[in-house]
Amino acid sequence: QSVMGQPPSASGTPGQSISISCSGSSSNIGRNYVYWYQHVPGTAPKLLIYRDNERPSGVPDRFSGSKSGTSVSLAISGLRSEDEADYYCAAWDDSLSGLVFGGGTKLTVL
Amino acid sequence: QVQLVESGGGVVQPGRSLRLSCVGSGFSFSTHGFHWVRQSPGKGLEWVAVIWYDGTSKFYVDSVKGRFTISRDTSKNTVYLQMNSLRVEDTAVYYCARDRYCKGGSCDAAPGYWGQGALVTVSS
Repeated sequence: QSVMGQPPSASGTPGQSISISCSGSSSNIGRNYVYWYQHVPGTAPKLLIYRDNERPSGVPDRFSGSKSGTSVSLAISGLRSEDEADYYCAAWDDSLSGLVFGGGTKLTVL
Repeated sequence: QVQLVESGGGVVQPGRSLRLSCVGSGFSFSTHGFHWVRQSPGKGLEWVAVIWYDGTSKFYVDSVKGRFTISRDTSKNTVYLQMNSLRVEDTAVYYCARDRYCKGGSCDAAPGYWGQGALVTVSS
């Protein structure tokens, strides 16, 4: 059971927009930055969003992050087949003194 | 560009030890913090440990406390994960990762760059 909750799966068709949620608590999301990763199993995870809503260079602006209280969301617009991957939120947890990941959301592009 | 290369994975019996290494290149090694993150078969990403940029602080997930030790050798641009008393449930791909940004003591708490991973299999 992850400290931060994500829906296990999400899906959409090419061109659609989807949102993946991540809920936490006051000890993690509520007081620390959130990061989002894209992971295709067997490859290195890729940073998509840092500090809640900032995009590293090279990440398309189709990806965006938002935060409200102890919940965050990753929005993906103009879905493409190459977006099919697992997506994880992460944040430092002050109570645990460690980094925590959400359980991950498997995105399927139909 | 930033590169992280893990080594030292393999098959080991329960109760034995293994040491993973991670060599960094393409950046100033001594000014960044490093994490180890693992993924067990069929499971999600799990954070394991972090060592701060200056090596003064180390933190671990509860399940490895007292068994795993993270360390760094700046002269070799290398981060280590010493894993003792290994258990079957430690079987995973272990990723070495570097913080995205760290300057003047203000550092991101989460990784920005990742290695390709090293497979550790604990089995009798």
